[in-house]
Amino acid sequence: QLHLQESGPGLVKPSETLSLTCTVSGGSISSNTYFWGWIRQPPGKGPEWIGSFSYNGDTYYNPSLKSRVTTSVEMSKDQFSLNLSSVTAADTAVYYCARGAYSSNWWNAFDIWGQGTMVAVSS
Amino acid sequence: SSELTQDPAVSVALGQPVRITCQGDSLTAYYATWYQQKPGQAPVLVIYGKNNRPSGIPDRFSGSSSGNTASLTITGAQAEDEADYFCSSRDSSGHRLGVVFGGGTKLTVL
Repeated sequence: QLHLQESGPGLVKPSETLSLTCTVSGGSISSNTYFWGWIRQPPGKGPEWIGSFSYNGDTYYNPSLKSRVTTSVEMSKDQFSLNLSSVTAADTAVYYCARGAYSSNWWNAFDIWGQGTMVAVSS
Repeated sequence: SSELTQDPAVSVALGQPVRITCQGDSLTAYYATWYQQKPGQAPVLVIYGKNNRPSGIPDRFSGSSSGNTASLTITGAQAEDEADYFCSSRDSSGHRLGVVFGGGTKLTVL
């Protein structure tokens, strides 16, 4: 059973960089069948996709966040990470990592999610 | 990116059918994906592709699409179906990794 777990600070100061890691267990990141992503959800609001990557190195970020987002992968540890720079209170949210699947032309979907981690931006 | 619009709230009597809709330009090209989220929990995938249910999702959940509108239908809503429902699709770029979410519909089962 694949399991994803987010980890990182629960509190980040404004203007600093938010850094989270997702650890995958019960399976491997090294798959061409799936992709991996980050999604956040501000309190009381809908989810917002942050960015995704696939094993072949393809990476794609939400255009509205692209200038502040970087992601990295450590295949040997089945971990991937998110860095979001210059955070403000608007970045306060529950952050999820998830596994994605897609068809060649028609759809994509996140089929397994981590439990999420709350990150507050406050001084 | 693009936008997906959902009604904020829908209610249904126990055992009755209910349709939750999602509108957006990207839906003329791509299928909607539907998620169920209960308070304090991560979203759960319920419908993907034309009308596919992951293992463990009851067959009372189904998906359909017409033009720029996708629908999630629950035939015979149960008390445990009370939750927030979010749609998503590929974003307007069409990139296979790009995703856009709707704002969500809160379903109340009366």
